[in-house]
Amino acid sequence: GEQVEQLPSILRVQERSSASINCTYENSASNYFPWYKQEPGENPKLIIDIRSNMERKQIQGLIVLLDKKAKRFSLHITDTQPADSAMYFCAATNTGYQNFYFGKGTSLTVIP
Amino acid sequence: EAGVTQSPRYAVLQEGQAVSFWCDPISGHDTLYWYQQPRDQGPQLLVYFRDEAVIDNSQLPSDRFSAVRPKGTNSTLKIQSAKQGDTATYLCASSLLGGKDTQYFGPGTRLLVL
Repeated sequence: GEQVEQLPSILRVQERSSASINCTYENSASNYFPWYKQEPGENPKLIIDIRSNMERKQIQGLIVLLDKKAKRFSLHITDTQPADSAMYFCAATNTGYQNFYFGKGTSLTVIP
Repeated sequence: EAGVTQSPRYAVLQEGQAVSFWCDPISGHDTLYWYQQPRDQGPQLLVYFRDEAVIDNSQLPSDRFSAVRPKGTNSTLKIQSAKQGDTATYLCASSLLGGKDTQYFGPGTRLLVL
């Protein structure tokens, strides 16, 4: 099975609404969960991350939630703008072993 | 601070040809990763190094792919006999602290195998 499952694969939202992406992971030893944004032709860029000693983290309009019991974490983009349109990838890793697994990505389109 | 650099940015090959990709990580980063990212998919780890040592190459197709990082700085990923299924972007990333810190990605090399 997939080490990290990411849903939805495609997401279209109206400008100024919220967008949510959900990921689940298999390895209960995972302790670091970054989110990357990748624009066409560009490399993935880290936008926010959360470690297993936290349940919630917010950087401006980005919120990450972590539920370790359910092995689930999610990214919420509030007040979306067209510039938020991109591919988003979640990842999970155990920083002791560094087996870094990415989800398959979510293509987000923010409609003006 | 300079980011991760990779070359070439693009490569087009016929099946059976060989190709090498080069990566220069962020200065001081001890951990270096190579990923394969097929179109419209997430990056998939091929191999990673801590300094010059290979830590995990279990996802590297060993019969045709090889990777080295002889001085613990730059790294080369080589495909000996490319197949159409190797068409993808090859991303290099680096991090500090033996991998306990954030990974930073290079711009990638887009490979097309005809």
